[in-house]
Amino acid sequence: AQKVTQAQTEISVVEKEDVTLDCVYETRDTTYYLFWYKQPPSGELVFLIRRNSFDEQNEISGRYSWNFQKSTSSFNFTITASQVVDSAVYFCALSEHGSGNTGKLIFGQGTTLQVKP
Amino acid sequence: SQTIHQWPATLVQPVGSPLSLECTVEGTSNPNLYWYRQAAGRGLQLLFYSVGIGQISSEVPQNLSASRPQDRQFILSSKKLLLSDSGFYLCAWSVAKRGPDEQYFGPGTRLTVT
Repeated sequence: AQKVTQAQTEISVVEKEDVTLDCVYETRDTTYYLFWYKQPPSGELVFLIRRNSFDEQNEISGRYSWNFQKSTSSFNFTITASQVVDSAVYFCALSEHGSGNTGKLIFGQGTTLQVKP
Repeated sequence: SQTIHQWPATLVQPVGSPLSLECTVEGTSNPNLYWYRQAAGRGLQLLFYSVGIGQISSEVPQNLSASRPQDRQFILSSKKLLLSDSGFYLCAWSVAKRGPDEQYFGPGTRLTVT
């Protein structure tokens, strides 16, 4: 069965610190897709990244970086030099190729990040 | 560009009253559409998804229903609300294709059942 686990419920850091949000997933499919979303206090989920299971290259986008390791079934997200505006709930999600064209996402429970000035 | 709208933004309803939440997407055709619920302090639960007009799949048994009367319109309804229906309801869309694609979310509706 597919599952996404975000073990960190809440993280609090001081501005400019680096922070890593963990995501561990379970799936039986060999082809799958992983996502990260940000939910700021306004509530709307913002798409951050999509990664397929055949692409293990790490990705960097500005202060954001993602580390995908199939060997440990993890897709961790690091924010470098955190800022107060990074305060939000972050969700990791999984979609299996076997879900066909439905595109269903399985979300983790989310990690609440608080960045203090 | 594509945009997704939800209304109302907030709603307070008594137990036993009916519900109708609406979601519309602009700038795309034949999208996949989804309804999620987020209870306070918890993750997102997929309620319904639709891959085409009139095609609705339910993920969890409940007293809610969904309909897709038009290609880019998705409606979440209930005949009689329960206290447990309180939560933040999010609509999302994605491009319908063979492989999973990222979903784009609307601003959400915060429902309080009293």
